[in-house]
Amino acid sequence: DIQMTQSPSSLSASVGDSVTITCQASQYISNNLNWYQQRGGKAPKLLIYDVSNLEPGVPSRFSGRGSGTVFTLTISSLQPEDIATYYCQQYDNVLRRFGPGTSVEI
Amino acid sequence: QVQLQESGPGVVKPSETLSLTCSVSGASISGHYYNWIRQPPGKGLEWLGYMYYSGTTNRESTNYNPSLKGRLTMSVDTSKRQISLTLTSVTAADTAFYYCAEGGYRYGPWGQGTLVSVSS
Repeated sequence: DIQMTQSPSSLSASVGDSVTITCQASQYISNNLNWYQQRGGKAPKLLIYDVSNLEPGVPSRFSGRGSGTVFTLTISSLQPEDIATYYCQQYDNVLRRFGPGTSVEI
Repeated sequence: QVQLQESGPGVVKPSETLSLTCSVSGASISGHYYNWIRQPPGKGLEWLGYMYYSGTTNRESTNYNPSLKGRLTMSVDTSKRQISLTLTSVTAADTAFYYCAEGGYRYGPWGQGTLVSVSS
């Protein structure tokens, strides 16, 4: 059973700041990692798949990196509409699992 | 573009059975993975499982999260273009927003979700 952790659990930054969220898997998951954004009261939305591929329509200020067990999501210039909780999700194992989430505030 | 819409009872009594449906439009039921994912209020996301239906072979394939310990069943009604979820013996721990989402390993789009409260 692969466990996912995220750090920090929450962060506060200013508009224009660069912010980075880290996701760590309890075992090797290759590049089998996605990121989601959930704005208040809404369903999650797929942001990045396969570590670094942006979903169509996702602003280029979002980027993903990593491999193996440690992955990062970076927002290069934080915007007010980026206030949300961000979740990583692994699909290396048949039991899909999400990270606990990182809340981003401004 | 596929669109998903969950529907359900809103409130279920403890020990009873929860039944939800996900109505699919804009895409075929066949040949797509449809997942159920839940989120207790104020908490994180839990993947419950997926249903895959092959119109070619007329066969269903499912994969469930073992944490549900045999309480979960997913099925498909192709005539209604619906995916169903049944969860038996519910407790307060099953109170959550329930989402359906399309995808085999990456999930999108999602329905808007439906809140199910387990309460007597």
